[in-house]
Amino acid sequence: SAVISQKPSRDICQRGTSLTIQCQVDSQVTMMFWYRQQPGQSLTLIATANQGSEATYESGFVIDKFPISRPNLTFSTLTVSNMSPEDSSIYLCSGLAGGTEAFFGQGTRLTVV
Amino acid sequence: GQQLNQSPQSMFIQEGEDVSMNCTSSSIFNTWLWYKQDPGEGPVLLIALYKAGELTSNGRLTAQFGITRKDSFLNISASIPSDVGIYFCACTQGAQKLVFGQGTRLTINP
Repeated sequence: SAVISQKPSRDICQRGTSLTIQCQVDSQVTMMFWYRQQPGQSLTLIATANQGSEATYESGFVIDKFPISRPNLTFSTLTVSNMSPEDSSIYLCSGLAGGTEAFFGQGTRLTVV
Repeated sequence: GQQLNQSPQSMFIQEGEDVSMNCTSSSIFNTWLWYKQDPGEGPVLLIALYKAGELTSNGRLTAQFGITRKDSFLNISASIPSDVGIYFCACTQGAQKLVFGQGTRLTINP
């Protein structure tokens, strides 16, 4: 199956700054998604990253806070903007190469201080 | 949005014991997936189920897609230390988006 390389694996950031997380897939995928996972919690979908167009955001998530890019079928970025301590979480990207069996990157553990 | 109710939330067992966890939903789904997440890693797919009543095994893991299409269970036989982690059920919700259960945290005492 395809492999997603996600970076950075972790970061500690100052409040008010922004962090961009990158995901690179080793093969083309039809769909890419971004999730947030609060400590000890389940995964919550932030948005679907659409290739060549604006991402589709879930309720409670907005483009100004979480801008997403997907310039091609193997790469996507998520930016966490104007960070506050409440943004401390694990952020995960996932991909679908067809079908329904999504695979995930290793995650980015973000701590905002 | 749709929710999956996963239980138990946590399990503390002895090595060698069997494990059982399940997920239920008020809605019908066409696909049930079971993932395992190790600390510091993303979830890894264990088993995928596509047909109501389907029973699928992957080594010591066995999962079933409930006949009503509203539930699924995952069993682990003869647990070993590397089975420790968090197990999630997930279903596909339109446009291939996944909705996840709350997770079952498995701890094994040697």
